[in-house]
Amino acid sequence: DIQMTQSPASLSASLGETVSIECLASEDIYSNLAWYQQKPGKSPQLLIYYASSLQDGVPSRFSGSESGTQYSLEINSLQPEDEGDYFCQQSYKFPPTFGAGTKLELK
Amino acid sequence: QVQLMESGPGLVQPSETLSLTCTVSGFSLTSYNVHWVRQPPGKGLEWMGVMWSGGSTDYNSALKSRLSISRDTSKNQVFLKMNSLQSEDTTTYYCARDKGGGNFDYWGQGVMVTVSS
Repeated sequence: DIQMTQSPASLSASLGETVSIECLASEDIYSNLAWYQQKPGKSPQLLIYYASSLQDGVPSRFSGSESGTQYSLEINSLQPEDEGDYFCQQSYKFPPTFGAGTKLELK
Repeated sequence: QVQLMESGPGLVQPSETLSLTCTVSGFSLTSYNVHWVRQPPGKGLEWMGVMWSGGSTDYNSALKSRLSISRDTSKNQVFLKMNSLQSEDTTTYYCARDKGGGNFDYWGQGVMVTVSS
């Protein structure tokens, strides 16, 4: 299975800041990478797919990028509602696999 | 609008079989793939299996011997059955729609299942 190594495990930032979350794939996944946000007690929500495509309805302060097997989610101008857990997921090879998650807290 | 809703028992005895139903609306099961994903409390996500729009299935190899996914397109329902449940199967189970390419754009609210006697 493809391993997705996600970092950091947790992150604390202030309103208005910009943060970045990384996922490193154990092999090339050819941009087949999605990012999800999950708030406490809720189901995950798709933010980004194919590494950099913004899902409908997701604010433009969320963006995704890639460099080789390293994928990044950037959140600009942090808002209170951005607090939650973030997961990456590869869909290039079966089975789909997820990163361990990043907990984002606002200071 | 697109909705998925999981239903099933909240408590299952060890070694028993779990049966869950995912009822969908707003889209056709013959046009979209539906996946099952689970998440232990406070932990990450584990993909379990998929009902392809064409009616075939694929499973996580770690669960394959215990897991079965089926559907009833007339009722817009996808079913998950997993046998020989143990405590490590205590988790929240989600069904999710695949918008294409293995990207899950709509999720159910999840159903928490506890395995305990």
